[in-house]
Amino acid sequence: DAGITQSPRYKITETGRQVTLMCHQTWSHSYMFWYRQDLGHGLRLIYYSAAADITDKGEVPDGYVVSRSKTENFPLTLESATRSQTSVYFCASSDEGLKSPETQYFGPGTRLLVL
Amino acid sequence: AQSVAQPEDQVNVAEGNPLTVKCTYSVSGNPYLFWYVQYPNRGLQFLLKYITGDNLVKGSYGFEAEFNKSQTSFHLKKPSALVSDSALYFCAVREVDMRFGAGTRLTVKP
Repeated sequence: DAGITQSPRYKITETGRQVTLMCHQTWSHSYMFWYRQDLGHGLRLIYYSAAADITDKGEVPDGYVVSRSKTENFPLTLESATRSQTSVYFCASSDEGLKSPETQYFGPGTRLLVL
Repeated sequence: AQSVAQPEDQVNVAEGNPLTVKCTYSVSGNPYLFWYVQYPNRGLQFLLKYITGDNLVKGSYGFEAEFNKSQTSFHLKKPSALVSDSALYFCAVREVDMRFGAGTRLTVKP
């Protein structure tokens, strides 16, 4: 079934470990986004990508790294996880970028717990 | 700087009654405004958006929203609530980038 998928759906890790969250979309959308969802904050943009090999910082990029070697994949890496990165992470994609009215389509989310 | 506020953490309504979920925004130019819904353990689903034109926007599942420029509001409405409408609702504004409100949990009781 086409769409946007995330893996893993649930992850428990320890402080200081490296963690990579995967995102894959089958629509060939140019733009992809990573958000984190925390109680009281709604969703906050971590990083986004306009195309393969083009990435840019969002509102809360510290502690995260992204790459986009292929249009359909947009992995998010926590290089050294901290407890403050415990959150639910959502990947999204759209045909156009941040300044357009184009709808973003969201994946099911990854629930990350950092002990 | 752009921002969006959802003044109510929780909204409770009885099934069959009209519902309103409030949203106000702050931008320097003309905004694009969105409503998304999130069901438990699911990603956000698009409901509707305002770009330009008619201030009353109709969306999925019988929802609509009214853009009010003078009050900088974009409240989500539905004439008759269903128990299945119970979910977390997010308002979002896009000017420079996408900003989401903190969310409003809607509970519709039978």
